[in-house]
Amino acid sequence: QVQLVQSGAEVQKPGASVKVSCKASGYMFTNYLMHWVRQAPGQGLEWMAIIHPGGGSAAYAQKFQGRVTVTRDTSTTTVYMEVTGLRSDDTAVYYCARGQSGINWPSDALDIWGQGTVVTVS
Amino acid sequence: EIVLTQSPGALSLSPGERATLSCRASQSVRNGYLAWYQQQPGRAPRLLIYDASSRAAGVPDRFSGSGSGTDFTLTISRLEPEDFAVYYCQQYSTSTGTIGQGTKVEIK
Repeated sequence: QVQLVQSGAEVQKPGASVKVSCKASGYMFTNYLMHWVRQAPGQGLEWMAIIHPGGGSAAYAQKFQGRVTVTRDTSTTTVYMEVTGLRSDDTAVYYCARGQSGINWPSDALDIWGQGTVVTVS
Repeated sequence: EIVLTQSPGALSLSPGERATLSCRASQSVRNGYLAWYQQQPGRAPRLLIYDASSRAAGVPDRFSGSGSGTDFTLTISRLEPEDFAVYYCQQYSTSTGTIGQGTKVEIK
């Protein structure tokens, strides 16, 4: 079945970096754009970034420009998101999610979600 | 940036009742590119509705979406126990998609 499986929880110190992975299966990896969304404790959803798994091009929300990098490995159908210069307000659950249409850039409805990765900065 | 305002912030209803959730945009949402999500505690969001009124795969027909321009509505015709959750709207008509702050549907 179509699924996204993310890497496990992380605890990092302020100023450190974290890299979260998201492995896709059950569909043609290069046919759908992949997004990253985060949710701070008790808060709403915040869109962060998008990557085209085929060509590798990426786009970022303005507040994350320069601090977040998304990449992909087509051989393992895995997308990665790295956040550098971690701060306490980066503590959140980070989700990868598939763009529903396969073509809308950079915004789209998100039809398949990973289980989430808890990142704690302390 | 299009700001989405969801109302009410919380809704107390009983199973079997009808729920009507509102999402108002600060500018017109082009092409009706608006989605609704359900989020249960500790779970990832689940896509319910896309393109304002299209149900996502596997979503029960008690969920329906409507609206255009700046005013959109999610209706749950008869609440089931598993429908008590937080609901978010999202617009994806601009390069910077935005998400509303959510409406919590709680058991009365």
